[in-house]
Amino acid sequence: EPEVTQTPSHQVTQMGQEVILRCVPISNHLYFYWYRQILGQKVEFLVSFYNNEISEKSEIFDDQFSVERPDGSNFTLKIRSTKLEDSAMYFCASSELGDTVYGYTFGSGTRLTVV
Amino acid sequence: QQQVKQSPQSLIVQKGGISIINCAYENTAFDYFPWYQQFPGKGPALLIAIRPDVSEKKEGRFTISFNKSAKQFSLHIMDSQPGDSATYFCAAAYGGATNKLIFGTGTLLAVQP
Repeated sequence: EPEVTQTPSHQVTQMGQEVILRCVPISNHLYFYWYRQILGQKVEFLVSFYNNEISEKSEIFDDQFSVERPDGSNFTLKIRSTKLEDSAMYFCASSELGDTVYGYTFGSGTRLTVV
Repeated sequence: QQQVKQSPQSLIVQKGGISIINCAYENTAFDYFPWYQQFPGKGPALLIAIRPDVSEKKEGRFTISFNKSAKQFSLHIMDSQPGDSATYFCAAAYGGATNKLIFGTGTLLAVQP
């Protein structure tokens, strides 16, 4: 079964450093998403991306965050200057169409720890 | 208005029992209500989903009941098994190009053998 692949699985970074989280969506999917889950809390939408541009972003997705699809396969989330409160699981997801009937496929996540 | 409220926070059920998790929403523009199952260290996986034009959907041991007038929906897991032990999230979404999911707060289910 096709998977969404995320790397690394765990990243530890110093406060103020830049991090890039990487995702390889399912190959024929066109819509890409980032969500985050602070430990013990609910999963929260960050951003959606379609046709090489952001479709929607949440209040969490401020100027410190950016997304990019640098080539035909990768989808990245960059945090420019990490803060302690950015510590969370970050999930990438992709969907074939922009219709949620088809559901998302989530990756296994990257655990980001900011120290 | 964008919130989805989920209860209970945790649930312990005996093997073979029925697990029931409830969710409520406010925004009547939501038109898609999925349930996700999440095992430790994994991403959420779509379990079952319903649209508001039906009151019930069943897939194997999993059933969603939907009450549009009350703006509530619930997940029933029949004949619960230890392998069902996981965190369950309800979610809601509305149409549009982004289809972002609004998640509930999650229910940690433990099925005891």
